[in-house]
This record gives sequence, structure tokens and C-alpha cells, in this order.
Amino acid sequence: ETGVTQTPRHLVMGMTNKKSLKCEQHLGHNAMYWYKQSAKKPLELMFVYSLEERVENNSVPSRFSPECPNSSHLFLHLHTLQPEDSALYLCASSQDAAYEQFFGPGTRLTVL
Amino acid sequence: QKEVEQDPGPLSVPEGAIVSLNCTYSNSAFQYFMWYRQYSRKGPELLMYTYSSGNKEDGRFTAQVDKSSKYISLFIRDSQPSDSATYLCAMSALMGNDMRFGAGTRLTVKP
Repeated sequence: ETGVTQTPRHLVMGMTNKKSLKCEQHLGHNAMYWYKQSAKKPLELMFVYSLEERVENNSVPSRFSPECPNSSHLFLHLHTLQPEDSALYLCASSQDAAYEQFFGPGTRLTVL
Repeated sequence: QKEVEQDPGPLSVPEGAIVSLNCTYSNSAFQYFMWYRQYSRKGPELLMYTYSSGNKEDGRFTAQVDKSSKYISLFIRDSQPSDSATYLCAMSALMGNDMRFGAGTRLTVKP
């Protein structure tokens, strides 16, 4: 595996389900990010981890819970989501807080 | 007012045309300006980066930043069908942690 990988690529869940998104980076970077991408809306930065510590949380609802167990892995735990949470969730990594971020292909999430 | 405004298009041009993509912004603290390209079913990838005002050229691509007008542009010369993608502008004041993206402009270059 190379670059940034994300699993699953597609996820359909009910509003009462609990699921997790997984991201893994194979680039040796020390910063990782979660973004939300909705149609015709700007990419929204959700969480930033630097050296496995959260440094940014852009007022994201508590139904989204991130976890960064080490510098290569990032999770986004989901519970009691709303239909408006349906979107493409992108993970990215960078070396330090850099302008060049390397993105994974995203997880397309649909909340019914 | 949104921090970063970008016309989502879609924009369709014939092969060989010059393409102009633009973003405006409101935060005068932004000093790092990026253009990312996103192909269908892929994540964005960095295309161009400019610090502060000025122009930067890389092959068929030219990025321009006018901080006095809070306006940035990406020009694509001799556009190719392989340039068909969504182009997202991005900018930050502090590098990375505070990056703000535009909505992206969807470009189609027709053969």
C-alpha cells in the first residue's frame, strides 16, 4: 500500500448505528486530518492531529469522535448520525502543519 | 460572507482553450495559497502553491495571487481532456492547521 488509504470506500448506515472510518498513511508523516466534502460546498476541516495529539476541532458535533492511536492511523467513530451528515469524508496527512497535504480517496457515507 | 468564494461551475471548454479559474477571499491574514486538483473518485492532490502575492508558472499552469484585491487565479494553457477534474483553491494563514478551501470548480475539457 502506498500513500493514504481509507476504508471502507462506501458506507450506508442508519441513524442509530455506530460505525468507524479508518485511515492509514504510509508516508511517514506526523500530522493527519479529517475533512468533510459535501456537494457544492467547501471542504470542511473537522479534526487535526499533530504528533498524535488533537490540535484542532472545528466545532464538530460530538456524534463524530476521532481517534489517533499512532502517527500512521486515524479513525473517525460515528454514532447517531443525521441524514445531513451524508458526505464524502476525506483523510489527509502531511509532514508538520504543511500546505501540501496528501489525501486519501475518501469514504462516501450515506445516512438513512 | 464566506471566507473563500469559488464558482462551482460546471465549466466546459474545448481542447486547447485557455482556462481561467478564480477564487476570492475575505481573510486578509491568508498568505499561503494553493490549488488542488481532484479527479473523480479520488482525493484532492496539490497542483500549485504560492506564498503571498505574485505569479508562479509550472508548465501549462500559472497561479496568480493579488492580495490587495483578495483574488487568486489559476490559468491552464492548451487545456487537455486529462485536465478534466474539479479544481479547489485553498489558503491558510498559518500553514496547514487552518487551511480553508473553496467549493471547487468542475472543469470538463472536450476533445
